[in-house]
Amino acid sequence: QSVLTQPPSVSAAPGQKVTISCSGSSSNIGNNYVSWYQQLPGTAPKLLIYDNNKRPSGIPDRFSGSKSGTSATLGITGLQTGDEADYYCGTWDSSLSAGGVFGGGTKLTVL
Amino acid sequence: QLQLQESGPGLVKPSETLSLTCTVSGGSISSSSYYWGWIRQPPGKGLEWIGSIYYSGSTYYNPSLKSRVTISVDTSKNQFSLKLSSVTAADTAVYYCARDHSGTTSFDYWGQGTLVTVSS
Repeated sequence: QSVLTQPPSVSAAPGQKVTISCSGSSSNIGNNYVSWYQQLPGTAPKLLIYDNNKRPSGIPDRFSGSKSGTSATLGITGLQTGDEADYYCGTWDSSLSAGGVFGGGTKLTVL
Repeated sequence: QLQLQESGPGLVKPSETLSLTCTVSGGSISSSSYYWGWIRQPPGKGLEWIGSIYYSGSTYYNPSLKSRVTISVDTSKNQFSLKLSSVTAADTAVYYCARDHSGTTSFDYWGQGTLVTVSS
């Protein structure tokens, strides 16, 4: 059971837009920055978004992040078949059990 | 370009200690801006943060693993290491080392990962 809750799967057609949600609490998302990662099959995760909505160099603006209260959202526009991957949210949890936490991951299928 | 590479045994016996090293190249592990972390992923499952270390030696561990985990840094070799004691089959996973660029578990550079299997 992950501290952060993500839908197990989402799907959309090429060219369309999709959003992936990440729900937490005041001890994690509510008071800390959120990051998002893309993991293609058989590869290491890749940072897509940090500090809620910032993109590292080289990440296209088709990827966007937002946060509201204790939830965060990753948006992907102009879907491509190459976007088919697992996506994870992550943040710091400031509770008594402090530490880094990840969501359970969302499998994106581009139909 | 910063690169990270995990190394260590791919097979560990139950009750023994898992030991991995991450070698950093293309940049200094002593940079004051970054933390360095270990993350693992059991086969077919999600990511789990194990812990992070600052070049000064300050460490932060996952509370669920804290009693079994030690992360250390060797700035002279530009390496940091993971030791996980008393392993069981549940510790079988791909282990990644990564750079936390802001100290908030935001990992911008990752190693390729190494599969460690716990089995007799």
